[in-house]
Amino acid sequence: DAGVIQSPRHEVTEMGQEVTLRCKPISGHDYLFWYRQTMMRGLELLIYFNNNVPIDDSGMPEDRFSAKMPNASFSTLKIQPSEPRDSAVYFCASSLTSGSTDTQYFGPGTRLTVL
Amino acid sequence: GQNIDQPTEMTATEGAIVQINCTYQTSGFNGLFWYQQHAGEAPTFLSYNVLDGLEEKGRFSSFLSRSKGYSYLLLKELQMKDSASYLCAVTNDYKLSFGAGTTVTVRA
Repeated sequence: DAGVIQSPRHEVTEMGQEVTLRCKPISGHDYLFWYRQTMMRGLELLIYFNNNVPIDDSGMPEDRFSAKMPNASFSTLKIQPSEPRDSAVYFCASSLTSGSTDTQYFGPGTRLTVL
Repeated sequence: GQNIDQPTEMTATEGAIVQINCTYQTSGFNGLFWYQQHAGEAPTFLSYNVLDGLEEKGRFSSFLSRSKGYSYLLLKELQMKDSASYLCAVTNDYKLSFGAGTTVTVRA
């Protein structure tokens, strides 16, 4: 079975540009999570979805960040406009039923560099 | 709020045993996960504890004391491939909160 798929794996952009990160969760998983990892702040939850509906976006840093899940097999995280401090590795993860008791499976991540 | 503490770095010799401690103070608690993350890769699941006690899985074991807000991950018979970051994570209301991670370096 394919795991969580993310694209692109690497993204280099200039400040002010729009960035879109993509994620395909494991088939049949009901929960999808977006995380950001930096050396300074570690691994932080940004937002999560249950059955395509955003449940908690309290971790989204500011209005420049938005996430959507138009269907069960696809989600996007968009940053507009991007800033150098957004440089990080962004992970998408999915789990079968709930994050509280079920293992979250992480994608390979997108390494974003904003110049 | 969430406060999850674990040591920054540990070094051990191949074949030895290493214990990584994790203490937590969180506003809620459903369970505790341990993840392994090799440099440049995604975190991968190692273990999950919801009840007090020891969970053993091959060379890796994890212990939880809910009353003390304490867990540890025990790595036995260390191998070079165990060099990685080990993340302690508390789950509450379907959300995972991660510690900063402990980087374990295994020396020959």
